[in-house]
Amino acid sequence: DQQVKQNSPSLSVQEGRISILNCDYTNSMFDYFLWYKKYPAEGPTFLISISSIKDKNEDGRFTVFLNKSAKHLSLHIVPSQPGDSAVYFCAATSGAQKLVFGQGTRLTINP
Amino acid sequence: DVKVTQSSRYLVKRTGEKVFLECVQDMDHENMFWYRQDPGLGLRLIYFSYDVKMKEKGDIPEGYSVSREKKERFSLILESASTNQTSMYLCASSPGALGVEQYFGPGTRLTVT
Repeated sequence: DQQVKQNSPSLSVQEGRISILNCDYTNSMFDYFLWYKKYPAEGPTFLISISSIKDKNEDGRFTVFLNKSAKHLSLHIVPSQPGDSAVYFCAATSGAQKLVFGQGTRLTINP
Repeated sequence: DVKVTQSSRYLVKRTGEKVFLECVQDMDHENMFWYRQDPGLGLRLIYFSYDVKMKEKGDIPEGYSVSREKKERFSLILESASTNQTSMYLCASSPGALGVEQYFGPGTRLTVT
């Protein structure tokens, strides 16, 4: 029972273009969503989050969009840079302190 | 900055051995978590703890146990290691009531032969 799904295992984007990573969830009780970035041989690092009372949150080059009716969130990275190449995980919580993670999407930025 | 450290970056153990993975956080966080990461499966929660001596099972607790005797330290124990426990193990902590963002350690790559 995968409550948080990232259906694209990998994504390749040219440097300078927009990267869009997608995430779907099934549990309507989720009210807070997070994105993490992970480089090889390192732990995930927190990137950006959004509460269910908002539909957009922006931090520099990173923007997260939330569509509650579709149970879908996306992470936009503009412009994409080589250092953005990593695995990205979305996560969700219903306020219980426990996070449910997706499978991850490997983003590769090509020069 | 929050710092979460794990005792080993790489570990090789034999089938049947007892394995201890240690995790320490220095930010007085209430919550601590153990995950394993496997390709295509994302991060799966093994156990978590909301307080000293408190523990709760995550999604895949079979074959594992945990110990939290001090607030800053959370140990994962593999009672009898098996080859299907070869994985990347990640420890995390979070403030609790003050926030749900989890801060991760660098991970331990465990290989069981």
